[in-house]
Amino acid sequence: SQTIHQWPATLVQPVGSPLSLECTVEGTSNPNLYWYRQAAGRGLQLLFYSVGIGQISSEVPQNLSASRPQDRQFILSSKKLLLSDSGFYLCAWEELAEAPETQYFGPGTRLLVL
Amino acid sequence: AQSVAQPEDQVNVAEGNPLTVKCTYSVSGNPYLFWYVQYPNRGLQFLLKYITGDNLVKGSYGFEAEFNKSQTSFHLKKPSALVSDSALYFCAVRREDYGQNFVFGPGTRLSVLP
Repeated sequence: SQTIHQWPATLVQPVGSPLSLECTVEGTSNPNLYWYRQAAGRGLQLLFYSVGIGQISSEVPQNLSASRPQDRQFILSSKKLLLSDSGFYLCAWEELAEAPETQYFGPGTRLLVL
Repeated sequence: AQSVAQPEDQVNVAEGNPLTVKCTYSVSGNPYLFWYVQYPNRGLQFLLKYITGDNLVKGSYGFEAEFNKSQTSFHLKKPSALVSDSALYFCAVRREDYGQNFVFGPGTRLSVLP
């Protein structure tokens, strides 16, 4: 069966520091991968999605970037964090062989920027 | 453009009573509709989805949802609520043609009172 991992689970970082959040998926090949941010326990904001290695689409211009160095690895990064980057970051994958695709979410990373 | 509305920010129901969490959508073409649940500090869990066919869809944990095309609604229901059902519920839609991402509603917080 497929599983999705995110780490770290919780992160406290000072303003201006770099960021790297990692997401990996097991048990599937060539999934579509997504990064979302959830602020204040409410709505989801799509940040990036990827349909393959090295292919990244950005939904919202911001202080963050994403990379997909391997088929089942998706990384969210920042060179300098802002206070507004605080939130709950969720990675999701979808199985292309399943129609319609359902998105399955990881456990999330809570980021607090101080 | 696609959009999802969840008109109730909060729903309170007594344990053992039936519950309904409302969702309306706007999408051109045939919609695929989804419900997710989120417990505190956790990722979203997939509950159920509507593809086509029977308008009543059954999902996990005793939940079901009714698709109503004329009212463009996809309300989530459960005959008898449990305290453990207390969580944040998200409705989502995507279009039949691939390439369109999910659009999530703002979420409805369900509180089941003992």
